[in-house]
Amino acid sequence: AAGVIQSPRHLIKEKRETATLKCYPIPRHDTVYWYQQGPGQDPQFLISFYEKMQSDKGSIPDRFSAQQFSDYHSELNMSSLELGDSALYFCASSPRGGALDSPLHFGNGTRLTVT
Amino acid sequence: DAKTTQPNSMESNEEEPVHLPCNHSTISGTDYIHWYRQLPSQGPEYVIHGLTSNVNNRMASLAIAEDRKSSTLILHRATLRDAAVYYCIRGAGGGADGLTFGKGTHLIIQP
Repeated sequence: AAGVIQSPRHLIKEKRETATLKCYPIPRHDTVYWYQQGPGQDPQFLISFYEKMQSDKGSIPDRFSAQQFSDYHSELNMSSLELGDSALYFCASSPRGGALDSPLHFGNGTRLTVT
Repeated sequence: DAKTTQPNSMESNEEEPVHLPCNHSTISGTDYIHWYRQLPSQGPEYVIHGLTSNVNNRMASLAIAEDRKSSTLILHRATLRDAAVYYCIRGAGGGADGLTFGKGTHLIIQP
């Protein structure tokens, strides 16, 4: 079965640069979530989108922005990168706005390293 | 604020049942209990979720206390592939709100 696809798998950037992470949800999933997981940390919710509109916001820095496109894929844009942004970034998707019987399906993440 | 409490780690033997506890004493009447697990170098994986009644699926069983202040994830016959961090999360059962991961339980399976 198709899974959530994230690209790139690995990304290395320098401080103050920008980065764009992409997420392709499972077909027919209309809801996308972004999570950040620092080294040795638990996943932290950043932001979610339903039907191309922002739905919920977590601990996303102002330097980050995200959007969901008409084909339901999503992009997380990160500017003025800091060393502390080095982390695994996971995207998850679910169908029907995250309905009661619809769990989140996670991708395998993008590992961002800021040097 | 995750508002759930789990042991930091647990150890079990292969092919034995595993009971992973979770306390959520301040749970509201509409909050579901979700369980996800994360294997090394992978994204979290859905395990099971429930509201009031016990739930079973192909991966596990979820036993929810009558007062809903605690729950137990049951792996009926652990394998080495079940070694992971298990997260108990309380949250709304639907909608596009993000689930808040807290400190999960690191399950170690001994051969």
